Amino acid sequence: DTGVSQDPRHKITKRGQNVTFRCDPISEHNRLYWYRQTLGQGPEFLTYFQNEAQLEKSRLLSDRFSAERPKGSFSTLEIQRTEQGDSAMYLCASSPGTGGWTEAFFGQGTRLTVV
Amino acid sequence: SQQGEEDPQALSIQEGENATMNCSYKTSINNLQWYRQNSGRGLVHLILIRSNEREKHSGRLRVTLDTSKKSSSLLITASRAADTASYFCATDGAQKLVFGQGTRLTINP
Repeated sequence: DTGVSQDPRHKITKRGQNVTFRCDPISEHNRLYWYRQTLGQGPEFLTYFQNEAQLEKSRLLSDRFSAERPKGSFSTLEIQRTEQGDSAMYLCASSPGTGGWTEAFFGQGTRLTVV
Repeated sequence: SQQGEEDPQALSIQEGENATMNCSYKTSINNLQWYRQNSGRGLVHLILIRSNEREKHSGRLRVTLDTSKKSSSLLITASRAADTASYFCATDGAQKLVFGQGTRLTINP
C-alpha cells in the first residue's frame, strides 16, 4: 500500500467548467475526508465519509460541490460551474477506525487553477 | 471556521536552536494532533496527544496539552534545516478534524 493517492495532481480549467477529482484512500480505512487549502492558510474542512455514508458537509460548500464515496472505497469530489474563487489545493485524507479521531493520512493534493 | 489558532504565525530561528509553537482551541476535545506540511505537499502526522495526557514525546518533538486553558504547545529541539515547514494543530472537538491556520517555521543554516 502506497498511501493516499489523488488524481490529478494539477488541474487548470476555464471558469464555468466542471471538474472532478479522485481520491483513493489507504485500504480498509473507514474514514475519508476532503479539505480545501489556499496559500498561507490551514486546511478547511469540506466533508467526510464514514465508509460510504457522507456524515457531514461544511457550510462552506455551495450546491456546486458534491462528493461521493461509492462502496466505501475511492471518493470523488466534483465542482460544477467553477469560479475563480475555487482555485485552491484540494486535499484528501483517510483514517482507520470508527471511534475517536485518530491519525489522518493525507494525499499530495490536487491543485486547481480556475482561469 | 478554524477551531485551532497557532501562534506565532511565522517563526525564524538558527539551526540548532529550539522552536516552540502554540495552539489554542475553543471547544472540548478528545485529542489534539500536530501535523507538518512542506511547501506544496500534503500534511504529515507528527504526534497525537489525548485529552487525559499532559505531555508526550516523539524523538525531538515534545507536545504539551493544557485542557484547562484549551492550549497546546509543540517544541522541536535541536532544529535542523529539514524542519523548515508549516506546522498545524488539529482538534476533534467539533465532531470532525479541524485545523488551525498554522505556524510557518524557517530554520536558517
